[in-house]
Order: sequence, then C-alpha cells, then structure tokens
Amino acid sequence: KNEVEQSPQNLTAQEGEFITINCSYSVGISALHWLQQHPGGGIVSLFMLSSGKKKHGRLIATINIQEKHSSLHITASHPRDSAVYICAVPNHSGGSNYKLTFGKGTLLTVNP
Amino acid sequence: SAVISQKPSRDICQRGTSLTIQCQVDSQVTMMFWYRQQPGQSLTLIATANQGSEATYESGFVIDKFPISRPNLTFSTLTVSNMSPEDSSIYLCSVGGVGGRNTEAFFGQGTRLTVV
Repeated sequence: KNEVEQSPQNLTAQEGEFITINCSYSVGISALHWLQQHPGGGIVSLFMLSSGKKKHGRLIATINIQEKHSSLHITASHPRDSAVYICAVPNHSGGSNYKLTFGKGTLLTVNP
Repeated sequence: SAVISQKPSRDICQRGTSLTIQCQVDSQVTMMFWYRQQPGQSLTLIATANQGSEATYESGFVIDKFPISRPNLTFSTLTVSNMSPEDSSIYLCSVGGVGGRNTEAFFGQGTRLTVV
C-alpha cells in the first residue's frame, strides 16, 4: 500500500510570499493529485499529473517520478489561498488513478 | 469537468439511527468512490461504488455498516447504519473517468455528520 508524507504540516505566510508544499510517496504511481480543502470540508481538485509540471494561474505543480516526490507552489500568495492542501496517490502501484491514499494535508494560512 | 451534488451537506443524528447520503453527478462517470474523514485525520477510502453490482469495500469497512447503491452511471448513495458517535465524520463522494476519459478526480462538497 502506498504511503504519503506531506510537509510542512502547517505553514503561515505573508501575502505575496512564494509558497512550497512537498509530497513524497512510497510506491511507483501513474498519477498524483493535488487537492484543496476549505474549512467546510468540500474538496476541489487542483491538479492531476503524471510527469513534469503543470501550471494553473498562480499554482504550479511538479512531479519527479524517479524520486517519488511532488511539489505544489503558489506564487504571490493571497489570503484567499488559505486552506488545507492535500496530496493523494493511487492506493497501489498499477492501481486505479482514482482509488486514492491521501496525505495528512498542509494547513496554509496567508496573512494580509 | 463534472459537477457533483452531494446531499445533505450536514446533519446531526441520534445514535442508533441511519443516514443516507446522496451523490449526483452531471455527467456519466466510470468510477465513483466514498471516503470518510474523521476529525483531524486524512481521508480514507470506504468503498468503490460499482454500477449494477455490489460495492467493493476496503479493509475495515463492511456492507452491513455502510451499504452503498449505484443504480446508474450518475448516481450513488452511502448509508451509515446504526450510527454511534464514532461515526461523526465528513463523508465525501468522488468520481473519476468523466465521460470515459482519464480526467482528474472530482469531489462532492462533503457531508458533515455529527452523531449524538
């Protein structure tokens, strides 16, 4: 079964700062998900990536398959980015991209 | 993309009762899943909802406690049966394979359940 480690667990930043959240996993995968969870509990999918880098607005996600590591970056952070960011990977090597094991999440607080 | 309507968004229930949570998707999807997030914990997969057949449960979850239906490619329900305070959690449905394509995963807004 895949194990997921995220760091840091908590992150406080000032508005405008560049943010990096890291994710490591134990078993080779075909795709990795970055998710955002707001206080009410709802989850929004930010990225699903299997190689290289993806960018959406101020968010950038990278993955290194050989090192089993991914990073989520937020440029020019804003208080509305405050949320829990979660990394998720398939439960098992060769498993469905959608049967997921989740990291514990990184609580990001961006102060004005 | 896919839009998921999950109901109810929250509920407070008496122990010993049951609650059924609905997940409606605006597109046909290949896969639907149900997850639980206990307070302070990460999400855990309960089961895969299989269209037209019995759900596939993960270790630690059983059909008698969490019966699941999936009558078609756009709808599923999860029932939390004979509830106890330990069932107080956020329950989420998730879908993948929207329109049969290798899309990202989509999640419902979650059902925050409190058992008293």
